[in-house]
Amino acid sequence: AQKVTQAQTEISVVEKEDVTLDCVYETRDTTYYLFWYKQPPSGELVFLIRRNSFDEQNEISGRYSWNFQKSTSSFNFTITASQVVDSAVYFCALSGGSNYKLTFGKGTLLTVNP
Amino acid sequence: GAGVSQSPRYKVTKRGQDVALRCDPISGHVSLYWYRQALGQGPEFLTYFNYEAQQDKSGLPNDRFSAERPEGSISTLTIQRTEQRDSAMYRCASSLIFSGANVLTFGAGSRLTVL
Repeated sequence: AQKVTQAQTEISVVEKEDVTLDCVYETRDTTYYLFWYKQPPSGELVFLIRRNSFDEQNEISGRYSWNFQKSTSSFNFTITASQVVDSAVYFCALSGGSNYKLTFGKGTLLTVNP
Repeated sequence: GAGVSQSPRYKVTKRGQDVALRCDPISGHVSLYWYRQALGQGPEFLTYFNYEAQQDKSGLPNDRFSAERPEGSISTLTIQRTEQRDSAMYRCASSLIFSGANVLTFGAGSRLTVL
């Protein structure tokens, strides 16, 4: 069975602060894929990043960075110098190599205040 | 089409009525997924298709829920004898390939309210 845990239900920061969203996962698959999706107040789900289980290199895209650590089954997401437009619910998700359904965490509501 | 299209966007129905939610995936996408999202929760898997074949329906809550994709394109999620607990956002997603590496493109969703 696959499981994704996002322990932080809500986070509130002031603009320009750095913020890290935690994600811990469980799977029995040796090959699997991890994702982050963003759900802004408008409600759509927007894909941010995908990583596979055999590539533990961290990734940076502008103000966004992702830290994948297999040893702790974590795939954390950091936003540097947060902006008000970053306010959204962020979902971590997992799919396996044997079953292709995408399992989501409960999400973290990030509020960036001016 | 350019994106995943869902209809209706909003549906209000009375308890006991049947509802059908439609999803038109991105042209050429072989996989199609249905999810349900309650307020304040993450999307919950319902079922998915590879072309017209339903691959996994383990997430359908009970036998009042069914889905089909007869020609491998448009899909319909049907809920029979709706109950108030069925109220939620129902999201459809499609992907180009059939793989765990799928990047799903989601539609705007169909918000169902059962009175």
